[in-house]
Amino acid sequence: DIQMTQSPSSLSASVGDRVTITCRASQGISNWLAWYQKKPETAPKFLIYAASSLQSGVPSRFSGSGSGTDFTLTISCLQPEDFATYYCQQYNSYPRTFGGGTKVEIK
Amino acid sequence: EVQLLESGGGLVQPGGSLRLSCAASGFTFSSYTMGWVRQAPGKGLEWVSVITGSGGSSYYADYVKGRFTISRDNSKNTLYLQMNSLRVEDTALYYCAKDTPQGGSSDYWGQGTLVTVSS
Repeated sequence: DIQMTQSPSSLSASVGDRVTITCRASQGISNWLAWYQKKPETAPKFLIYAASSLQSGVPSRFSGSGSGTDFTLTISCLQPEDFATYYCQQYNSYPRTFGGGTKVEIK
Repeated sequence: EVQLLESGGGLVQPGGSLRLSCAASGFTFSSYTMGWVRQAPGKGLEWVSVITGSGGSSYYADYVKGRFTISRDNSKNTLYLQMNSLRVEDTALYYCAKDTPQGGSSDYWGQGTLVTVSS
């Protein structure tokens, strides 16, 4: 199975900050990577697919990059509604696997 | 508008069984791979299983393989998850999710149904 490792596991940031989250795959997954946002008591929200393609309706301050084993999610200018936990997920092969999550908290 | 509505969760004893359902609407159900993802209390998202649009292929995480069975009824626009031999560690909120047209990632999610395994 492909293991997905996110870092950091949590971070504190202020509104307006630029935030970068890293996701590393235990083996190459090309660009078969998605990012999700998760807030308590709500369903996950789909942000990015194919490592860098923004889902329709997602603000352009979100961006993704990477291929192979190393990927990043960047929030260019953090907004109050962006405080949440972010997960990467590989879909290069079954079983699909998620990273452990990165919690973005208010500084 | 795409809607996914899960049901069937509840309290069950270890070793027991439960069947989850996910009623879908707002899209051509039979054209999409569908799946289940869970989140245990205080833990991260955990992929469980998917099934292709025709129902011809299904895939499972190792921790549920042999105990859980995913299925679908395209005439009823409904996805199922039959869970047998339940363990305490299966306690989680179970989400139904629809794959994107390209496949692999999930663009729509239900609100989840809670499964609690406890004696």
